[in-house]
Amino acid sequence: DTAVSQTPKYLVTQMGNDKSIKCEQNLGHDTMYWYKQDSKKFLKIMFSYNNKELIINETVPNRFSPKSPDKAHLNLHINSLELGDSAVYFCASSQEVQGYEQYFGPGTRLTVT
Amino acid sequence: GENVEQHPSTLSVQEGDSAVIKCTYSDSASNYFPWYKQELGKGPQLIIDIRSNVGEKKDQRIAVTLNKTAKHFSLHITETQPEDSAVYFCAASLTYGNKLVFGAGTILRVKS
Repeated sequence: DTAVSQTPKYLVTQMGNDKSIKCEQNLGHDTMYWYKQDSKKFLKIMFSYNNKELIINETVPNRFSPKSPDKAHLNLHINSLELGDSAVYFCASSQEVQGYEQYFGPGTRLTVT
Repeated sequence: GENVEQHPSTLSVQEGDSAVIKCTYSDSASNYFPWYKQELGKGPQLIIDIRSNVGEKKDQRIAVTLNKTAKHFSLHITETQPEDSAVYFCAASLTYGNKLVFGAGTILRVKS
């Protein structure tokens, strides 16, 4: 069974479009994250939600809006896509009471043309 | 904020040799230090972690050491195998919020 899943795996779109990436975890965790990995493989946190509440919001353009309908899901909506948004986006989850281990999904490769 | 530096950026070893990757962090309040392995086209996979109240941790062929005074920690892989080839990331975080700050990664190539 997939622990952290993301859809779609690949997303190709044009500048100016709006797109969403979905994430689901079946680990029963209460905290979920979005990370961005750029072309140089550098990983940087974007957002973190705990029990549907935003707890980490890094310096991210407000074109990016996360939404957590419940503890098991954290979606990422991106408005007015720009070339610089091209990257791999990873969802992750953790359960604080069990420690700090974060488990990552397989990633969504976003290409903006 | 926290800053994590990782060295080397690339590392090539012969199968069977050991590999060592080193990281330094800037925030003395950081107390959790995981290591992730990322294979091509996949998400980072947690391979080992260490907390600030422990100096060393081993799991079969991999081990991590932590020196809080010097603010550095290292990953040791013994008896390397071709399947160990991947990108390895270190990270550091404070307890609250679980915000992981990653190093830039090390490309490990194990030559058979």
